[in-house]
Amino acid sequence: QVQLVQSGAEVKKPGASVKVSCVATGYTFTSYFIHWVRQAPGQGLEWMGWINPNTGGTKYAQKFQGRVTMTRYTAISTAYMELSRLTSDDTAMYYCARTITANQASEFWGQGTLVTVSS
Amino acid sequence: DIQMTQSPSSLSASVGDSVTITCGATQSINSYLNWYQQKPGKAPNLLIYAASSLQSGVPSRFGGSGSGTDFTLTISGLQPEDFATYYCQQTYSAPFTFGPGTKVDI
Repeated sequence: QVQLVQSGAEVKKPGASVKVSCVATGYTFTSYFIHWVRQAPGQGLEWMGWINPNTGGTKYAQKFQGRVTMTRYTAISTAYMELSRLTSDDTAMYYCARTITANQASEFWGQGTLVTVSS
Repeated sequence: DIQMTQSPSSLSASVGDSVTITCGATQSINSYLNWYQQKPGKAPNLLIYAASSLQSGVPSRFGGSGSGTDFTLTISGLQPEDFATYYCQQTYSAPFTFGPGTKVDI
């Protein structure tokens, strides 16, 4: 069965970077895009971008351009999302999701990784 | 960027009720509209994709309709496990924006 397992919670200081991993099992990793979505406490969902695990191609939301980097390591079926220059506004649950090829709906989700930014 | 709206922002309903949530886009997104359910402390769960296609494993009491800029999610015969927050998302054009959510409670 398809599973996405994310790395554990992180606590970072303002100005630092965080790198979240997402390990995919149960399917061919390079066949489906991975999207990253975040959710601040008590708030709605915010789309951050996607990575094509086959080519490594990426598309980021303008809001995160210059601060976010999405990569993958196909040999271990793992996608990564790194966010730099963290502020308290980046405190959120971060999710990876595998999408339906036809219309990019997020079909399978990781369990989420809580990133807390605090001095 | 395409902005998404949802109404109402919250609603109260009873088990067995039928409820309708609407979602609007600031420009045409054809049928690139998806609906998710999220329960507290959990990841979102895909209900409907491409405006009206029921995701595998999702009960048939959930239905979606619409195209262009106006969409609806209907839950026919609300069940206790349906009390949650519902989000629409457009995947027509990046950034793939979400609506602000509709909380359905008792």
